[in-house]
Amino acid sequence: DIVMTQSPDSLAVSLGERATINCKSSQSVLYSSNNKNYLAWYQQKPGQPPKLLIYWASTRESGVPDRFSGSGSGTDFTLTISSLQAEDVAVYYCHQSYTTPSTFGQGTKLEIK
Amino acid sequence: EVHLVESGGDLVQPGGSLRLSCTASGFNFSSYWMNWVRQAPGKGLVWVSRISSDGSSISYADSVKGRFTISRDNAKNTLYLQINSLRVEDTAVYYCTRAAAVTGTGGYYWGQGTLVTVSS
Repeated sequence: DIVMTQSPDSLAVSLGERATINCKSSQSVLYSSNNKNYLAWYQQKPGQPPKLLIYWASTRESGVPDRFSGSGSGTDFTLTISSLQAEDVAVYYCHQSYTTPSTFGQGTKLEIK
Repeated sequence: EVHLVESGGDLVQPGGSLRLSCTASGFNFSSYWMNWVRQAPGKGLVWVSRISSDGSSISYADSVKGRFTISRDNAKNTLYLQINSLRVEDTAVYYCTRAAAVTGTGGYYWGQGTLVTVSS
């Protein structure tokens, strides 16, 4: 199974500042035939289901604010929130769908400093 | 808009059974692979099972193999998860998910979830 490891486990950032969450996969999730990274990012607020933010590592889901961006390829990925807003407080997960079983990172808890 | 509504969660005793359902709308259900993902209280996300658009390809997490059965009824736009021999560690919110791409890859869209509690 592909192991997804996020860092840090928790993060406190001031409002308006940049937040960066990293995700490393134990093997590449880049599918060579279409050059797509099978890596997604989700935001989960308390009592709610996860919400899709980013897929194919860098494609923003429709309706997601452009302060959210994804980057990386192969085994190393980053979710960046360019200017943290109060409503961004949540747990963030990365997820690979390259192989079965599909696997998730352990989550990163983002708080306001 | 993708809309997924789970139902069937309940409090059951160890060794018991449940059938979870997920009713889909807002998209062509019969074209998409579907998944179940669970989340134990205060814990992370764990993929449970996947079924292809026509039901011919099915996969399970090792932890549920032999106890859980995924199925679908494309005429009813409904996904199912039959859960047998329930264990305390199966306690979780169970989410129905649809992949962004018809190939079953890309990110997932999620329902609101249904809570399964296994306790004596």
